[in-house]
Amino acid sequence: QKEVEQNSGPLSVPEGAIASLNCTYSDRGSQSFFWYRQYSGKSPELIMFIYSNGDKEDGRFTAQLNKASQYVSLLIRDSQPSDSATYLCAVWNGGFKTIFGAGTRLFVKA
Amino acid sequence: DAGVIQSPRHEVTEMGQEVTLRCKPISGHNSLFWYRQTMMRGLELLIYFNNNVPIDDSGMPEDRFSAKMPNASFSTLKIQPSEPRDSAVYFCASGRQYQETQYFGPGTRLLVL
Repeated sequence: QKEVEQNSGPLSVPEGAIASLNCTYSDRGSQSFFWYRQYSGKSPELIMFIYSNGDKEDGRFTAQLNKASQYVSLLIRDSQPSDSATYLCAVWNGGFKTIFGAGTRLFVKA
Repeated sequence: DAGVIQSPRHEVTEMGQEVTLRCKPISGHNSLFWYRQTMMRGLELLIYFNNNVPIDDSGMPEDRFSAKMPNASFSTLKIQPSEPRDSAVYFCASGRQYQETQYFGPGTRLLVL
């Protein structure tokens, strides 16, 4: 089992819809959770981080964390074509590493 | 702030040659990470430094890879000798602490022929 798992996609949604990206992790001791966005040919950039169970909202983005289910998600409301990118889930387990998932490709159709 | 700086941005070399990648982290950050990204394997952590000291190099694929951080503002990743399977994008990232947000540089695209 991979430490951080994501559906590789592509996830295709129409413009204006809600995009839901999911991530599961294996280490119950994980403490910090990050979502990075990576445009094709560019470097990853942080969108959001979350530490506590529940929801955290920032503009059109909402991160959701459920530690009991070892599940973290990212919702993108009112999806725009400019949101088309690969979204990387990253998990810090309290050690010296942050583990990245393989990423989910999102395509927003105009 | 200038962000993480990497050089060169692109490197094309022949198998067997030595390759040196360079990174300047964001000032004030004490954690530095080297990653490799390929389509097949995704983003892989190669090595992590904290306060210029290598903490975890378990991701370094083999002895052909070495990394140094002689001071807080400079790090190198060296591949000697290079092989075609080393072709990838190499990212350097820095952060205040290893558990916090990492800021990525633009990457070096390496092609080994």
